[in-house]
Amino acid sequence: GIQVEQSPPDLILQEGANSTLRCNFSDSVNNLQWFHQNPWGQLINLFYIPSGTKQNGRLSATTVATERYSLLYISSSQTTDSGVYFCAVDRMDSSYKLIFGSGTRLLVRP
Amino acid sequence: DTEVTQTPKHLVMGMTNKKSLKCEQHMGHRAMYWYKQKAKKPPELMFVYSYEKLSINESVPSRFSPECPNSSLLNLHLHALQPEDSALYLCASSQSGTGNSPLHFGNGTRLTVT
Repeated sequence: GIQVEQSPPDLILQEGANSTLRCNFSDSVNNLQWFHQNPWGQLINLFYIPSGTKQNGRLSATTVATERYSLLYISSSQTTDSGVYFCAVDRMDSSYKLIFGSGTRLLVRP
Repeated sequence: DTEVTQTPKHLVMGMTNKKSLKCEQHMGHRAMYWYKQKAKKPPELMFVYSYEKLSINESVPSRFSPECPNSSLLNLHLHALQPEDSALYLCASSQSGTGNSPLHFGNGTRLTVT
């Protein structure tokens, strides 16, 4: 099956710093989504990004489907950015079945 | 604020109890999902309903029984659970009935089985 690898697994930043999170996937996919899970467990969909680049405030994402990776950029990080960032891809044979990476655990210190 | 509402937020139940988790969305989404998440792990798919019909059951034990009364509601009936079933249970929905659209999660129900 498809393998989804995220890096780094853990990241500690000082407030105001920038960071890049990476998601590699091992096979062709229909789509890719980025999620943020806050410390209280709430999972928020950040981007639905099968290819190209999207921006939402301080966050942006780029997916290069032909090279099987996606990047999530966080600029001017804030303590509220802390939590776990998951990327997930859907299988070509079933768009319902998202394959999640193991996540990047981010801690932003004040 | 999430547009997928789950109740209750927390649930403690004994192994002989029967309880239900509820999920509601009013976004007109055509697919609804149940996920299970253990601590420090990504969510795992349990069930998918598409156009109110069960499309996917990921070999979930029969002590978990899903129900989709209408296009806005999704229930998960629980009975004879085991302590290892303790987890965060997440409901989600997507606009497309075929899954090709963003997934929106509820805030989850933290279940503890004693």
